[in-house]
Amino acid sequence: SQTIHQWPATLVQPVGSPLSLECTVEGTSNPNLYWYRQAAGRGLQLLFYSVGIGQISSEVPQNLSASRPQDRQFILSSKKLLLSDSSFYLCAWSYGNYGYTFGSGTRLTVV
Amino acid sequence: TQLLEQSPQFLSIQEGENLTVYCNSSSVFSSLQWYRQEPGEGPVLLVTVVTGGEVKKLKRLTFQFGDARKDSSLHITAAQPGDTGLYLCAGHGSGNTGKLIFGQGTTLQVKP
Repeated sequence: SQTIHQWPATLVQPVGSPLSLECTVEGTSNPNLYWYRQAAGRGLQLLFYSVGIGQISSEVPQNLSASRPQDRQFILSSKKLLLSDSSFYLCAWSYGNYGYTFGSGTRLTVV
Repeated sequence: TQLLEQSPQFLSIQEGENLTVYCNSSSVFSSLQWYRQEPGEGPVLLVTVVTGGEVKKLKRLTFQFGDARKDSSLHITAAQPGDTGLYLCAGHGSGNTGKLIFGQGTTLQVKP
């Protein structure tokens, strides 16, 4: 069966520090991968999506970047965090137009 | 730009009551999905509707896709405290990347 792992679950980082959130998928190959951000109690904002290794599309300009070094690994990064980067970050995978499977999320607080 | 508008944004009801959540757009979607999310967790897929006019039932939950495939509704019968959570509708945009466009969500609180 397919599983998705996202870590860490919570993270507190100082302003100006770097960020690296990792997401891995097991039990499937060549999935579409996504990074979303979610404000409390609200909908999801798509940040990045990838249809293959090294293929990254950015949806909104921001202080973040994404990479896909392996087929089932998706990384969200920042060189210097801002206070406004505090949010709940979610990774997800899918095949085509089928439903998404989400990770359990990372609560990032920038202080 | 394709947008999905959900209403209401917040709903607080007593156990046993019925409710309906709406998801509307001016754009046509190839399919619509409904997710439920609990605090601190990722959303979990409840259902996908594909055909205009389609109705799907999941126990006490009934999902309907509009005939024109621009809107959808979620109806819960005899709500229970376990139904409490954030309900999100989502539709596939244009292209074949599988990108989902999410509504802003409806927070449901069912009081015992």
